[in-house]
Amino acid sequence: KAGVTQTPRYLIKTRGQQVTLSCSPISGHRSVSWYQQTPGQGLQFLFEYFSETQRNKGNFPGRFSGRQFSNSRSEMNVSTLELGDSALYLCASSLLGSTDTQYFGPGTRLTVL
Amino acid sequence: DQQVKQNSPSLSVQEGRISILNCDYTNSMFDYFLWYKKYPAEGPTFLISISSIKDKNEDGRFTVFLNKSAKHLSLHIVPSQPGDSAVYFCAARATSGTYKYIFGTGTRLKVLA
Repeated sequence: KAGVTQTPRYLIKTRGQQVTLSCSPISGHRSVSWYQQTPGQGLQFLFEYFSETQRNKGNFPGRFSGRQFSNSRSEMNVSTLELGDSALYLCASSLLGSTDTQYFGPGTRLTVL
Repeated sequence: DQQVKQNSPSLSVQEGRISILNCDYTNSMFDYFLWYKKYPAEGPTFLISISSIKDKNEDGRFTVFLNKSAKHLSLHIVPSQPGDSAVYFCAARATSGTYKYIFGTGTRLKVLA
């Protein structure tokens, strides 16, 4: 079974721009979660989508948004980029999302200049 | 407020010896815990999990211990191998209510040959 895929793997943007990241979960998985990883901060939860609905949200500003499509693929959008948004953005999928283990993709490395 | 803490940012262990990675949590509602391993430029890989109804779970060289009264869990790797060198994250969640996982900041393990 193919794992979680994320595109693009690397991205360079400038302040004020917006960016869209994509995540394709493992086949059959209906839950997709997004995390931001920065040095010293571990993985910070952004949001979770289940069956096209946002089920949970972390403490990030409204510039961070996401959506999930009917095929469970998910996109994450960050508008008005700031230097502090530079991070590794990880997507994780799970079968049901409640007590199931999450499986991570390789991440998208976003650099904001 | 860091609800899941990994107080040791790094750990070095000789090959063949035991590696013990520690994790503390503050939220008594957490009842499901996981350990992930992360290599550079890759997403975290699931290692082992434990439910709060157990105090120990074993999978090959990896054992996780849970002390609910102390709100502490640990991951034991025996024997340690050079390929175990990676960053290890613990994660916790409450299986009722919120569906989000809270991650620690990670411990970098280096196994010396």
